[in-house]
Amino acid sequence: GESVGLHLPTLSVQEGDNSIINCAYSNSASDYFIWYKQESGKGPQFIIDIRSNMDKRQGQRVTVLLNKTVKHLSLQIAATQPGDSAVYFCAENSGYSTLTFGKGTMLLVSP
Amino acid sequence: GAVVSQHPSWVICKSGTSVKIECRSLDFQATTMFWYRQFPKQSLMLMATSNEGSKATYEQGVEKDKFLINHASLTLSTLTVTSAHPEDSSFYICSARTGVRGNQPQHFGDGTRLSIL
Repeated sequence: GESVGLHLPTLSVQEGDNSIINCAYSNSASDYFIWYKQESGKGPQFIIDIRSNMDKRQGQRVTVLLNKTVKHLSLQIAATQPGDSAVYFCAENSGYSTLTFGKGTMLLVSP
Repeated sequence: GAVVSQHPSWVICKSGTSVKIECRSLDFQATTMFWYRQFPKQSLMLMATSNEGSKATYEQGVEKDKFLINHASLTLSTLTVTSAHPEDSSFYICSARTGVRGNQPQHFGDGTRLSIL
């Protein structure tokens, strides 16, 4: 299930399940979005990106969906593995050549 | 590809010391580099943006005299925390991008954990 902690929402899943991490963005003018994975004590790692002229993009075991109507972005991870446990951040480029990061979601995968 | 190396990975020093953190793009030329600060269980907070050969652009509330940024080459940017105090203790992360446009991915280093005693 999904719970909201003091600072970081957490999604707990079982190994093998599909995970869906959601992100609401604020700027309707944003034209580029990225998902990053951050493991404890490390920097964010690029997972997948999508431009605003697309609504879906697939990578290896991951799919990003973009709904511009409601300003919503999601990351789907198929067959989630314990190694997927990390904090996931969405980021948007709203036209200022910098990225604005979301608050992050912690994904916990139980064996 | 797109590897960013950050050094040191952690540093502990006394209050009043200045600390320099290096960020290198190892296999690409980084026209633009970014410095972020991250507190535990929180998101990344952008401190400044630097383009090679020009002065850094600092975000509102970030003291440029406190956090000195140099981007002297297309593969190296440095952040110097001057006269560091305990409140400067944090996780500092750099990122690099090949172009100046925002619709390209940033690639991150593994961060520097700074602890000021």
